[in-house]
Amino acid sequence: GNSVTQMEGPVTLSEEAFLTINCTYTATGYPSLFWYVQYPGEGLQLLLKATKADDKGSNKGFEATYRKETTSFHLEKGSVQVSDSAVYFCALRDTPTGGFKTIFGAGTRLFVKA
Amino acid sequence: DVKVTQSSRYLVKRTGEKVFLECVQDMDHENMFWYRQDPGLGLRLIYFSYDVKMKEKGDIPEGYSVSREKKERFSLILESASTNQTSMYLCASTDWKGWNQPQHFGDGTRLSIL
Repeated sequence: GNSVTQMEGPVTLSEEAFLTINCTYTATGYPSLFWYVQYPGEGLQLLLKATKADDKGSNKGFEATYRKETTSFHLEKGSVQVSDSAVYFCALRDTPTGGFKTIFGAGTRLFVKA
Repeated sequence: DVKVTQSSRYLVKRTGEKVFLECVQDMDHENMFWYRQDPGLGLRLIYFSYDVKMKEKGDIPEGYSVSREKKERFSLILESASTNQTSMYLCASTDWKGWNQPQHFGDGTRLSIL
């Protein structure tokens, strides 16, 4: 079946450090891939997405590239800020076998220290 | 922008009570979802609905039911609340058109069962 595996947290970084959060997936169809972010006390919101192999999603300085050969969608940011402290979820929506569901990873909590 | 509104941010109920969690979206989305979020377990799908009066069980439907009488509203019902249902509950919606569409989340309801 479909699944998403992401690195366990928490990840603790100093401000301006480089961030990588690893995400790998298994899917039977042609999935779209997403990163969501959850700030304290809020629901999830879309951070970026990629819909086909080699696509790069980007937003707010974050980037992730859809790598079909390694079934990965790692999240990166060159210089993190304290305001980036949140929980990050990798997710996929498969087609055509996935139906209406989105499969989420377990989430990775990021702490950024000033 | 899509807005998904959950009726309560915090709710405290007693064991055995019947509990209703309400969710409304304003973008005419066909698909709506209920998740629960627990530390270390990520998001787990309880139920989803792809049309009015239609519902499908997710991964953990036991102890829950849902109602979708109108397209914009999706209610989660705890038939007889138990302490192991203490959790954060998240509602989401998405457009059925295109597998690359993300889910839009409400801010969540933190439910405590005493």
